[in-house]
Amino acid sequence: SQQGEEDPQALSIQEGENATMNCSYKTSINNLQWYRQNSGRGLVHLILIRSNEREKHSGRLRVTLDTSKKSSSLLITASRAADTASYFCASPMDSNYQLIWGAGTKLIIKP
Amino acid sequence: GAVVSQHPSRVICKSGTSVKIECRSLDFQATTMFWYRQFPKKSLMLMATSNEGSKATYEQGVEKDKFLINHASLTLSTLTVTSAHPEDSSFYICSASPKTGRVSGANVLTFGAGSRLTVL
Repeated sequence: SQQGEEDPQALSIQEGENATMNCSYKTSINNLQWYRQNSGRGLVHLILIRSNEREKHSGRLRVTLDTSKKSSSLLITASRAADTASYFCASPMDSNYQLIWGAGTKLIIKP
Repeated sequence: GAVVSQHPSRVICKSGTSVKIECRSLDFQATTMFWYRQFPKKSLMLMATSNEGSKATYEQGVEKDKFLINHASLTLSTLTVTSAHPEDSSFYICSASPKTGRVSGANVLTFGAGSRLTVL
């Protein structure tokens, strides 16, 4: 089941520009995670932000979390062609590590 | 870091045959593994939760007899698609979470590279 909704569904930008993707969720969360999936491959964990955090950085990635609006955003700065992938947000459902997934944003970086 | 190996990466089979997909955690133990199915340009659909030493928990709408899951050890879970039909063609992905040493104490998943099943 999915509780997250992501927008945009698809995003195409020029290399070097910043890319922002948004995720909204429905229920209370302990943390929210972002994953990347290259075409035809498995997913790779990018970054986790806890419910008591508002912003987190990792390299060119910046994640924000607004629990009052039940939303999160992922910003990729100075995009590169290698950033072309689908990006998913996910939040844990229970202590059994099951995650609830957003629909994903397909990001295309044009050289 | 944690690595999950999934094999085969691609498999083509005839209708009516069974196909087994393996998911191994290479450098950590995983009491729980998850199996997903992904349709083109879609998000992950959780099929079942695989628990070591016990029966898998299937999501609503997923046929247990069709998709057999076995989690015989802390490092191996298998998904067998029985009597495969063309509508079973899809991308199947497994994931696992380490028993210990989780990222920031949270339940971060490590994914296999996925298996592309094509049933003719």
